[in-house]
Amino acid sequence: KQEVTQIPAALSVPEGENLVLNCSFTDSAIYNLQWFRQDPGKGLTSLLLIQSSQREQTSGRLNASLDKSSGRSTLYIAASQPGDSATYLCAAPPSNDYKLSFGAGTTVTVRA
Amino acid sequence: DAEITQSPRHKITETGRQVTLACHQTWNHNNMFWYRQDLGHGLRLIHYSYGVQDTNKGEVSDGYSVSRSNTEDLPLTLESAASSQTSVYFCASSPSGNTIYFGEGSWLTVV
Repeated sequence: KQEVTQIPAALSVPEGENLVLNCSFTDSAIYNLQWFRQDPGKGLTSLLLIQSSQREQTSGRLNASLDKSSGRSTLYIAASQPGDSATYLCAAPPSNDYKLSFGAGTTVTVRA
Repeated sequence: DAEITQSPRHKITETGRQVTLACHQTWNHNNMFWYRQDLGHGLRLIHYSYGVQDTNKGEVSDGYSVSRSNTEDLPLTLESAASSQTSVYFCASSPSGNTIYFGEGSWLTVV
């Protein structure tokens, strides 16, 4: 059974600082690795998806890396803004299935 | 625009009552999922379906059931609501193993 862990559970940074969010998983046989954003009282929005054959994926200020051999993914958010305050979750489906196993998330607060 | 909608968004029910949460998507996705989200646990999979007439149990399926009679809908039924089922429920759909789309959630309180 895939176990996904996100550390830290919460993070508070001043505006402008770069954010580094960590995700680890126990089973390296994954189909892809996905990062989501969740605002309070809302559903999840997909941010980045890294295929199992890729090492990283970028979108604007967001960059996610994937190291399957060590079971780790890292989400980098450059030059953080108060609007980046949210909970960030990572998830991975197994290589032979579509259902996602989620981490508990990292709640980010960016102070103005 | 295509979308995924959940109803009701908020519900309070009594212990022992049957409750059904609706999920409707307009993308014609084959894959649909129900998750529950509790503080400290992240999202946990309740049931999922990969097509009409296909349903499968997830890791926390006890006390829940689903049915898939068409592509668009996957209703989640709590047979006899318990206080432990107070949670936020999210429905999701995807066309493949890639991008997945989530509904806005249904807040359920069992008293």
